[in-house]
Amino acid sequence: AQKITQTQPGMFVQEKEAVTLDCTYDTSDPSYGLFWYKQPSSGEMIFLIYQGSYDQQNATEGRYSLNFQKARKSANLVISASQLGDSAMYFCLKGQNFVFGPGTRLSVLP
Amino acid sequence: NAGVTQTPKFRVLKTGQSMTLLCAQDMNHEYMYWYRQDPGMGLRLIHYSVGEGTTAKGEVPDGYNVSRLKKQNFLLGLESAAPSQTSVYFCASSGAPGLSSYNEQFFGPGTRLTVL
Repeated sequence: AQKITQTQPGMFVQEKEAVTLDCTYDTSDPSYGLFWYKQPSSGEMIFLIYQGSYDQQNATEGRYSLNFQKARKSANLVISASQLGDSAMYFCLKGQNFVFGPGTRLSVLP
Repeated sequence: NAGVTQTPKFRVLKTGQSMTLLCAQDMNHEYMYWYRQDPGMGLRLIHYSVGEGTTAKGEVPDGYNVSRLKKQNFLLGLESAAPSQTSVYFCASSGAPGLSSYNEQFFGPGTRLTVL
């Protein structure tokens, strides 16, 4: 089965600093998409950013960007200028077979 | 637009009872999904549907059945509930993938199910 790995169960970052959340994946698919979702303590799933495997440039959405390295099969999420409201669980999802990673709990410190 | 809605929000069942969770979307999406999320874990795909009248198994389909009789609705059934099915259930929907792109999934608020 294709697998998504998020090696950081928990991360801490100081407010206003940048943080990188790791995501690596198994795949033999020639075409696929990678998504990041945020799940705050209230429980809803919030879409953050998408990267297609054929996209020439790394995706960016406001303070979120993806460090996509196709050959290494990694799609790390970078959050710049962290805010207290960024404290949440973050999940990586591979489209094509709809597999989520186990998540990383990010805590932003004041 | 309501987006993706789930009914009910909470439910407590006794072992062996049956129930149906309803998911509805008003975005005319082709794809719909059912996931479960156990405490401290990621979401795992139970079943999904790529269009009206079609369903397919996901990663953890055992003990569940689904139906997609109408495009906007996706039902998840538990025929004989077990304590191991205590979880939060999320429904999601998305547009169909393009030639080289995929559409984001929109999630419902979740249903918290407890099986005693």
